[in-house]
Amino acid sequence: GQNIDQPTEMTATEGAIVQINCTYQTSGFNGLFWYQQHAGEAPTFLSYNVLDGLEEKGRFSSFLSRSKGYSYLLLKELQMKDSASYLCAPKGVNRDDKIIFGKGTRLHILP
Amino acid sequence: KAGVTQTPRYLIKTRGQQVTLSCSPISGHRSVSWYQQTPGQGLQFLFEYFSETQRNKGNFPGRFSGRQFSNSRSEMNVSTLELGDSALYLCASSSQREGLMWQETQYFGPGTRLLVL
Repeated sequence: GQNIDQPTEMTATEGAIVQINCTYQTSGFNGLFWYQQHAGEAPTFLSYNVLDGLEEKGRFSSFLSRSKGYSYLLLKELQMKDSASYLCAPKGVNRDDKIIFGKGTRLHILP
Repeated sequence: KAGVTQTPRYLIKTRGQQVTLSCSPISGHRSVSWYQQTPGQGLQFLFEYFSETQRNKGNFPGRFSGRQFSNSRSEMNVSTLELGDSALYLCASSSQREGLMWQETQYFGPGTRLLVL
């Protein structure tokens, strides 16, 4: 079976740094997606991690540890517009495996 | 490149009716996936099409069906609508890059918001 665990809600302050964790258990694994979703909108692709380690893209970075079934999304210099849900989604080892989405972490940014 | 487009954006139907939603993927993307999103259940996978063939399917009843055309455009159909089918229906197109561990990008369209009365 597959299981994805991420915190339901988090709160952080504008200008700060926040780390959103995701642990997963899948029967096979190739990589892991992170998406940002603002209320009422479609998810926006942030990253797809395949290799262990940290990948940085501007203010957003994503980390993966394949052996631990663990990933995190790091958001720096938080802005009010970062208030959104962040979805973690692992993908299986086969190209035609479906992507399973976690429930998402709702991030609230306070001024 | 143009992004993923979906039509219509909003739809109101009544119970028992059927509905067809359309999705045009990013140019060059051959894979199209459909998802249903509701506040309680989150993003639920419906099915994926690749080169006109369904290659994966979620746990939805047979009332939900789809197809993909030779130009990669896809449609999904829901027959005999129920109140619980009210949701945001999202289409996503993806590409996979060859490699030791293949890379993938998946982009969502804006969605079709369906309300069943």
